[in-house]
Amino acid sequence: DADVTQTPRNRITKTGKRIMLECSQTKGHDRMYWYRQDPGLGLRLIYYSFDVKDINKGEISDGYSVSRQAQAKFSLSLESAIPNQTALYFCATSDFQAGDQFFGPGTRLTVL
Amino acid sequence: ELKVEQNPLFLSMQEGKNYTIYCNYSTTSDRLYWYRQDPGKSLESLFVLLSNGAVKQEGRLMASLDTKARLSTLHITAAVHDLSATYFCAVDRYGGSQGNLIFGKGTKLSVKP
Repeated sequence: DADVTQTPRNRITKTGKRIMLECSQTKGHDRMYWYRQDPGLGLRLIYYSFDVKDINKGEISDGYSVSRQAQAKFSLSLESAIPNQTALYFCATSDFQAGDQFFGPGTRLTVL
Repeated sequence: ELKVEQNPLFLSMQEGKNYTIYCNYSTTSDRLYWYRQDPGKSLESLFVLLSNGAVKQEGRLMASLDTKARLSTLHITAAVHDLSATYFCAVDRYGGSQGNLIFGKGTKLSVKP
């Protein structure tokens, strides 16, 4: 089984809808992250969490919110989706030591 | 402004040739990460460089870090088609292992027969 899983893998929604992307991990890592990837822009950090009670904004948090339900689960919400949130979203995890991050398979989100 | 700049952004190589991808960054980070992404896939960790002068090698790829110059290189030796992918470097925004990574825009490598 995959160490980091994301659901759904693909989602098409309409402007103004609320949507939640979910991430689960079995790596036992404390740290979890949400990124978005846009063509030609690399990855940009949306939110990150060091543990259940420690959540931090990343570079582009506006329009997004997160919830860390448990050590293994970290969800990303778009309260009112807009077309420029169309992107590929990745969840990642890491331990404290090396900081190296392990990525989930990604969720392709399209906002019409 | 914090930046991570990779060059080139696009690289077309012939099999058997050597080439180097460069990653310049503007933070005072003492560690740097390299990732690989195949088309339509997720990112895979290649190297974690933890200190000045660090050098790591895996197969035909070798990465190095010069923290004084704020430069990392990813050297490709005798390229093969399987190395075709996009390669990203990343550094921690706050210079340690906070996990707040800034990624370069990626270098898309295409290795042709």
